[in-house]
Amino acid sequence: EAGVTQSPTHLIKTRGQQATLRCSPISGHTSVYWYQQALGLGLQFLLWYDEGEERNRGNFPPRFSGRQFPNYSSELNVNALELEDSALYLCASSLLNAGWAFFGQGTRLTVV
Amino acid sequence: AQSVTQLDSHVSVSEGTPVLLRCNYSSSYSPSLFWYVQHPNKGLQLLLKYTSAATLVKGINGFEAEFKKSETSFHLTKPSAHMSDAAEYFCVVSDRGGGADGLTFGKGTHLIIQP
Repeated sequence: EAGVTQSPTHLIKTRGQQATLRCSPISGHTSVYWYQQALGLGLQFLLWYDEGEERNRGNFPPRFSGRQFPNYSSELNVNALELEDSALYLCASSLLNAGWAFFGQGTRLTVV
Repeated sequence: AQSVTQLDSHVSVSEGTPVLLRCNYSSSYSPSLFWYVQHPNKGLQLLLKYTSAATLVKGINGFEAEFKKSETSFHLTKPSAHMSDAAEYFCVVSDRGGGADGLTFGKGTHLIIQP
């Protein structure tokens, strides 16, 4: 059974540009979560989607946004990129209200 | 409010010797506790989870952890370390039901295995 898959693996963008990260959850999972792992800041919750709806968002500015598609895959968009957005972005999936999740390999975003 | 403290930022052991990674938690409710492992340039892999069943939890790759409410601890152990165990380990707590948005991660313990 395939796990959570993320693309691309690495992404290099210039400050001010937009980045789009993609995630495919484990088959049967309806919830998708996005976490940011920045150097020195640890893992921080970004967004939670379930059944196409945003369920919760962490303490991040509105330029971090996303969506979930009917097939439960998800996209994270980061607009007006700043240098401090450089981080590993992890996607996770679970059944609704499972309380925990399976994580993907992550997308390493570098803003130069 | 919930929090988790991983008592060691780095742990170094020799191959074949026991591993102990320490984790203390703080929670207002009956928590769920997890250990995740992250190998270099990889995502997070769930090692084991405690969700109010047996207090001794067995995970993958020979790891286990014991939930001790009186000590508010959830230490991770393995009888014999292998070179492939070298990685970053995260203790995670959740004290409410619902989604995985409520996970609080520790700062991580870097496990080094000496040959």
